[in-house]
Amino acid sequence: EDQVTQSPEALRLQEGESSSLNCSYTVSGLRGLFWYRQDPGKGPEFLFTLYSAGEEKEKERLKATLTKKESFLHITAPKPEDSATYLCAVQARKDDMRFGAGTRLTVKP
Amino acid sequence: EPEVTQTPSHQVTQMGQEVILRCVPISNHLYFYWYRQILGQKVEFLVSFYNNEISEKSEIFDDQFSVERPDGSNFTLKIRSTKLEDSAMYFCASGIGRGHSPLHFGNGTRLTVT
Repeated sequence: EDQVTQSPEALRLQEGESSSLNCSYTVSGLRGLFWYRQDPGKGPEFLFTLYSAGEEKEKERLKATLTKKESFLHITAPKPEDSATYLCAVQARKDDMRFGAGTRLTVKP
Repeated sequence: EPEVTQTPSHQVTQMGQEVILRCVPISNHLYFYWYRQILGQKVEFLVSFYNNEISEKSEIFDDQFSVERPDGSNFTLKIRSTKLEDSAMYFCASGIGRGHSPLHFGNGTRLTVT
């Protein structure tokens, strides 16, 4: 069965303190790995898609990387507005996008 | 930037009542989805819809659920007889492709069944 595990569950950083979030996955035939940001009471907001091992994507302070077993979301010099829950999801079968439980990030000023 | 819109933002209903949740997907998208998120739990797939028919559905999407695209812009989720355990955030999503394209989510409808 396809599984997505995110760690840590929660992460507290000081503003400017860089760190990484992990997403480990077990799927048959990965078609895409997705990172989303979710603010409280809102829907997931698309950040990145990664399709193959070795691929990297960047957007502002965020950088996503992919290996055959896991993906990392690196946050460089975070700001308080980066506080959110970051969700990882994988697409293997046709339509069932499987989500992880998320990492709740808090960035303190 | 185009977005997926959902109404209402919050729906309170009594157990056994029917509810209809509404969504307007992004206009040039062809694939439509419903997901749900029970408080504190993962986002879960319910159903996908393409070319006016269900493409795939999860075990959660039983006979109490139905989806419809009544016109060229709306996409609805109906729950025929709500149960307490149906209380959750329901997210509509749309995508331009299938299987490997990102989904764009609305901000959800919080359904509370009392």
